[in-house]
Formats: sequence, structure tokens, C-alpha cells
Amino acid sequence: DTGVSQNPRHKITKRGQNVTFRCDPISEHNRLYWYRQTLGQGPEFLTYFQNEAQLEKSRLLSDRFSAERPKGSFSTLEIQRTEQGDSAMYLCASSFTNPGQGKEQYFGPGTRLTVT
Amino acid sequence: AQTVTQSQPEMSVQEAETVTLSCTYDTSESDYYLFWYKQPPSRQMILVIRQEAYKQQNATENRFSVNFQKAAKSFSLKISDSQLGDAAMYFCAYRQTEFSGGYQKVTFGIGTKLQVIP
Repeated sequence: DTGVSQNPRHKITKRGQNVTFRCDPISEHNRLYWYRQTLGQGPEFLTYFQNEAQLEKSRLLSDRFSAERPKGSFSTLEIQRTEQGDSAMYLCASSFTNPGQGKEQYFGPGTRLTVT
Repeated sequence: AQTVTQSQPEMSVQEAETVTLSCTYDTSESDYYLFWYKQPPSRQMILVIRQEAYKQQNATENRFSVNFQKAAKSFSLKISDSQLGDAAMYFCAYRQTEFSGGYQKVTFGIGTKLQVIP
């Protein structure tokens, strides 16, 4: 168990460019979550997958944001036409479904996006 | 909607002393989970302790314990024998149960920055 991994760890992009982040969850976990954390704030929920199905999306997830989880393994989060307000840390987390397992979500190290 | 409030932006504690971080939350649910997460500088968030609302007994994990007051919707974290490695942002968090509509999102407070003074 190597934990949740995210790539890249840092991304600097110019306004208007598209960016894509990747998250690899803990292998046994079938739930995967994306959060956004801005400076001085706690993480805010963006979206969640159970296996390959995207079951919930926050209203924070505008139409410029899209997330996928093909084959229920890794996930990608794409931001199109980036804006300076998109600058934040993007966190991925994963968890078990099975009853009796821990209810907590395990977080990755995050991808810090800076839009210039 | 559920909300989590942490009213202490920063706290400091002397090494080896005890500190308590406060958290209140608002929900109409009777069963739910509460968590404290620790986020060290430039490092990933890790779970410190978990409390299930239907359990009356306060959770304890080594030097970390909680004071869960369900009626008051209060969930404070006590850190005993503070160590330099405890310095971090601490986030209080809430999640509904599987049986409350299946919502999986965790709602976080804005965090408390804990400084440990040698």
C-alpha cells in the first residue's frame, strides 16, 4: 500500500491554457474524491466516483472542469481555459465502500496549480 | 446544509503541555462521522482521530482525544504531551453516514494552525 499519489505535484500555467491532473488511489479503494483547497481555507468537495461512475458533483465544479475515472482505477481532473481564480491545491482522496472498513478518506499530497 | 466552524485561527502550546482545539458543527442528522485531520506544512493531510456520532464514548488515539458533546454539536480535540511534530494545520471535518442519502463529501472547517514552542 503506497498511499494515494497525485501528479504533477506543482503546475504553473498561463491563463487560458488547459491543465490535467492525475490521481492514483489506494488500490483496494473503490471510491475516489476530488477537493480544492485555497489558501487559508479547508478543502472543498468537488466530485466523487464510486468505481467508474461519477455520482456527485459540487456546484463549484463549473463546466470548465471535467473529471473521469476510466475503468475505476486512476482519475483525471481537467480544467479548461484556466482562470487566475483556479489557482489552488487540488486534493484527491480515496476510501473503502465495504461495511466494517474504516470510514475515513485517505488523502494524496495534492497538486498545486498556479495560474499566471 | 452541514457546516463546520473552527473559531481559533491559531493556537500555540509549549512542548510537553496540553492544548485543546475547538470545533462546532451544524447538522440535522442524528448519525454521522466527525474527524480531525492534520496537515503539516507542505505535506499531505492525515487522519488524527474519528468519532461516530452514535457512540457516546469519546475516541482516543494515543496522545489525541476528543470531547464529543452531541447535544451541543461540539467536537474538540485535546493533544496531550505536545511534541514539535504536532505543529500543523488541524481541520475538523464532518461526513454523513451511508444511510443519510449516500452523500460522500466531507465538509471541513477552515482549520486551526497549531504552533508548538520548544
